[in-house]
Amino acid sequence: DVKVTQSSRYLVKRTGEKVFLECVQDMDHENMFWYRQDPGLGLRLIYFSYDVKMKEKGDIPEGYSVSREKKERFSLILESASTNQTSMYLCASKGQGFPEQYFGPGTRLTVT
Amino acid sequence: QKEVEQNSGPLSVPEGAIASLNCTYSDRVSQSFFWYRQYSGKSPELIMSIYSNGDKEDGRFTAQLNKASQYVSLLIRDSQPSDSATYLCAVTLDIYNFNKFYFGSGTKLNVKP
Repeated sequence: DVKVTQSSRYLVKRTGEKVFLECVQDMDHENMFWYRQDPGLGLRLIYFSYDVKMKEKGDIPEGYSVSREKKERFSLILESASTNQTSMYLCASKGQGFPEQYFGPGTRLTVT
Repeated sequence: QKEVEQNSGPLSVPEGAIASLNCTYSDRVSQSFFWYRQYSGKSPELIMSIYSNGDKEDGRFTAQLNKASQYVSLLIRDSQPSDSATYLCAVTLDIYNFNKFYFGSGTKLNVKP
């Protein structure tokens, strides 16, 4: 079974802090994604990566950056957390040529 | 801006009935279509994919695609209380070279025993 894990299920940070969310997949997938999910807005793509050290902006990249130094790990960085970044963050991975994305359990981030 | 629209619901159906979930999308070049199920507090899981016009059946689930009208639907036959969840529609332009998926905000389904 594909397993996508995320570093934390719940996280509380203060405004202005630098926040790291980590995602690890064990299926040697080329593609990895970071989404945020907010009520009424669905899943919105923040960034995705199609290879090590490669990244593409999604629809809402402002205030975020990402890092992919190893194939299995994709990190989302909030450079200076703000209250409007309070959300559920979901990581996903996908094999090249296959349609199915596998999602991690999510991290519920609260910025106070 | 590509948009995927879903009625947020909740859609309530009695156990054993057919649940019909609908999704419309704005981008005519969309190629691949997906339905995900998300239980409360859990992450989405893929339940159906469809790429060409017509119907695709998998057990109690049937996905229907009409590209001319730009809608995709999901029918759940013999609905069970365990089907109670939020159903997300997702589209993408191409599954091989372009990995951007666009999700609707989901329809909440309640199946009453």
